[in-house]
Amino acid sequence: AQSVTQLDSHVSVSEGTPVLLRCNYSSSYSPSLFWYVQHPNKGLQLLLKYTSAATLVKGINGFEAEFKKSETSFHLTKPSAHMSDAAEYFCVVSDPNSSASKIIFGSGTRLSIRP
Amino acid sequence: GAVVSQHPSRVICKSGTSVKIECRSLDFQATTMFWYRQFPKQSLMLMATSNEGSKATYEQGVEKDKFLINHASLTLSTLTVTSAHPEDSSFYICSADNTLVSGHYNEQFFGPGTRLTVL
Repeated sequence: AQSVTQLDSHVSVSEGTPVLLRCNYSSSYSPSLFWYVQHPNKGLQLLLKYTSAATLVKGINGFEAEFKKSETSFHLTKPSAHMSDAAEYFCVVSDPNSSASKIIFGSGTRLSIRP
Repeated sequence: GAVVSQHPSRVICKSGTSVKIECRSLDFQATTMFWYRQFPKQSLMLMATSNEGSKATYEQGVEKDKFLINHASLTLSTLTVTSAHPEDSSFYICSADNTLVSGHYNEQFFGPGTRLTVL
């Protein structure tokens, strides 16, 4: 069975400092992994995805994530936080071999940016 | 590409009435559509999975007679909340999947969500 754990429910950083949002997964197969961002009362926007190609994945808005199989992790990072990055972030895992096409959401991490 | 729309974006209704939410894939045909529910400050919870022309598959604990799903075409799925009550107030999000668009990676394309408030 697949699962995904976001280790921090809330992360607060100062503007201009690095961001690290942690995600660990459990999967019987080589998974597909995604990071989505959700601003208040909005839908989900895809930041980036890992689909078994390069382990370091670059996404939109300066975000990137590294797939580490040995650590079963897919942490999201950004070198310098911007006020507009304040939002909810979801790590998502999928089994590409599943015929049901279901994905599993993490519990989410709320990112706050201090001026 | 791969845009999903939802209508309405916000709806307020009286208790006991039914509300229909539409989900459309605008520039691709969706082989599968999904309906999620999100309570404040919580993650998305999958309610049901639907394929065009067949009955939806509901997740455990989701009442199929209360949340009616119709996937009439490859670009349209509807969720009807029947006899809505205040506890049904939530943010409902749909998504669509098509392997021709996303490859075989199960990437889903999300709509902007519908905020339902039942008075």
